[in-house]
Amino acid sequence: QSVLTQPPSTSGTPGQSVIISCSGSSSNIGSNTVNWYQQVPGMAPKLLIYRNDQRPSGVPDRFSGSKSGASASLAISGLRSEDEADYYCAAWDDSLGGLFGGGTKLTVL
Amino acid sequence: EAQMMESGGGLVQPGGSLRLSCVAPGITFTSHWMHWVRQVPGKGLVWVSRINSDGSSAHYADSVKGRFTVSRDNARNTLYLQMDSLRVEDTALYYCTRARDGSRNAMDVWGQGTMVTVSS
Repeated sequence: QSVLTQPPSTSGTPGQSVIISCSGSSSNIGSNTVNWYQQVPGMAPKLLIYRNDQRPSGVPDRFSGSKSGASASLAISGLRSEDEADYYCAAWDDSLGGLFGGGTKLTVL
Repeated sequence: EAQMMESGGGLVQPGGSLRLSCVAPGITFTSHWMHWVRQVPGKGLVWVSRINSDGSSAHYADSVKGRFTVSRDNARNTLYLQMDSLRVEDTALYYCTRARDGSRNAMDVWGQGTMVTVSS
């Protein structure tokens, strides 16, 4: 059971939007920034969102992040087949150190 | 795409030791925080350790504290993870990652990982 809680799976059809949630507590998301990673099966993870809502260069603006209190969300609009991957939220915890969520498997139907 | 390069994984018996290395060819290394992250194939990501840019400060997950030691040689652009008293549950793919400039924890460069298998 991860300290950062994500839904195990979600799905959508091409063109649709999906939102992946990440719930934490005051010692992690509530007091530190959130990063999001995308991992295509068989590949290393890729930084998708940093500092809650910032996109690294090269990441399409279809991906957006937000944070409110001890929860964060990743929104993906205009779903494409290549978005099918595992998505992980991550945050520093003041007691535990680095944390990843359990991951959300996105299926594009 | 820029990538870290890990090495040193392999098969080791419980209680044994391994030293992982990670080099950063052509990648800015010396001013960045660095991390180790592991993943059991088919499972989620688990943070292991981080070290600051000059090597003076390190943090560890509770599961490895007292057994693993992270270090770096900035002159060689190399990160290390000394793993002692290995347990079966340490079996995983170990990734070396770099935190992006200005961040301690947003990992913007990853390697392909090196597999560590602890088994008798």
